[in-house]
Amino acid sequence: GDSVTQMEGPVTLSEEAFLTINCTYTATGYPSLFWYVQYPGEGLQLLLKATKADDKGSNKGFEATYRKETTSFHLEKGSVQVSDSAVYFCALSRDDKIIFGKGTRLHILP
Amino acid sequence: NAGVTQTPKFRVLKTGQSMTLLCAQDMNHEYMYWYRQDPGMGLRLIHYSVGEGTTAKGEVPDGYNVSRLKKQNFLLGLESAAPSQTSVYFCASSSTARREGQFFGPGTRLTVL
Repeated sequence: GDSVTQMEGPVTLSEEAFLTINCTYTATGYPSLFWYVQYPGEGLQLLLKATKADDKGSNKGFEATYRKETTSFHLEKGSVQVSDSAVYFCALSRDDKIIFGKGTRLHILP
Repeated sequence: NAGVTQTPKFRVLKTGQSMTLLCAQDMNHEYMYWYRQDPGMGLRLIHYSVGEGTTAKGEVPDGYNVSRLKKQNFLLGLESAAPSQTSVYFCASSSTARREGQFFGPGTRLTVL
């Protein structure tokens, strides 16, 4: 069945470092791909999305490109801030549902 | 525009008690979902609805029931709570899951003693 695999955390970086969180997927057809962010004590928020191959989603300095040839959707940010500390979920759409990865916890040190 | 709201925010139950969690959305979305989130398990889909009057089972439906009598509301019921149902419950809604993603509520933290 369809699935999402993302790198296990926690990931700890210093402020202003470059961030990559890897995400790969297994799916039939052409799903849409998403990154969600969850701040402590809150629900998930949609961070960015891409609906077809080679699309680049971007928001708040984060980017991810839909790579069909490598079945990947890696999240990147050029310079992280302490306020980016959160859990990040990669996800794909399947019929009426969305399938989530297990999440990657990110800690940014000042 | 409140988005997705959940009631209550916190609840403590004793084993065997029942309760209902309420989810409401004001975005006129067709689809609504209930998830549970446990440490190391990510999000697991309990039940979902593709429109008023419809419900369907998700990945972990046992021990839960749902109802969607009005388009804007989606209720999650626990008939006889068990300690294994201690979790954080999230409701979400979407217009079309495929392209737009889902909008989440703030969550309900449930503890079953």
